[in-house]
Amino acid sequence: ETGVTQSPTHLIKTRGQQVTLRCSSQSGHNTVSWYQQALGQGPQFIFQYYREEENGRGNFPPRFSGLQFPNYSSELNVNALELDDSALYLCASSSRTGGGKDGYTFGSGTRLTVV
Amino acid sequence: QKEVEQNSGPLSVPEGAIASLNCTYSDRGSQSFFWYRQYSGKSPELIMFIYSNGDKEDGRFTAQLNKASQYVSLLIRDSQPSDSATYLCAVNPGSARQLTFGSGTQLTVLP
Repeated sequence: ETGVTQSPTHLIKTRGQQVTLRCSSQSGHNTVSWYQQALGQGPQFIFQYYREEENGRGNFPPRFSGLQFPNYSSELNVNALELDDSALYLCASSSRTGGGKDGYTFGSGTRLTVV
Repeated sequence: QKEVEQNSGPLSVPEGAIASLNCTYSDRGSQSFFWYRQYSGKSPELIMFIYSNGDKEDGRFTAQLNKASQYVSLLIRDSQPSDSATYLCAVNPGSARQLTFGSGTQLTVLP
């Protein structure tokens, strides 16, 4: 059984550019949630995908968008990057939208730096 | 008011002592509660899950839940330097909604 994998691990982008982050969910999990974690802060919910449909969105602007594929892997796209978008982006998969007793399993994250 | 609040710390305890971490939540309908540990530069890992009032023990860890007071805590007995990390409280508000995290408490266990 494989865990949650994210790519790339690190990324440096210029303000105004676009970025795509990728996540492969754990085997048997049909739900993927994306979180943004700024330095010294807790993870902030961006959005969740359940069976290829968006199932909830946090307080993030529309330039943050996502997709989930039939194999339950997912992408996070951010357009028009801003300096404040610099953060650790975490993908979490689960077998239930609220986590159930097993909670969410996190990937190792993508560290995005916008310069 | 934040949905999930934790004391940011830092909290320092000597090796072998009990570390006590606290979390309050605002949604009275919340149904399940999680504690995650996050080492510096790493991703969060689940260490405890609780959904019933009272205590739940797992090794050196005890989670305590009081839904009437909207309060959940984590006790770490016989703290070790390897327990030094940030501890995140997460709450499932119910209705198949997503986990909401607190800002975390940084714990340092001094040798």
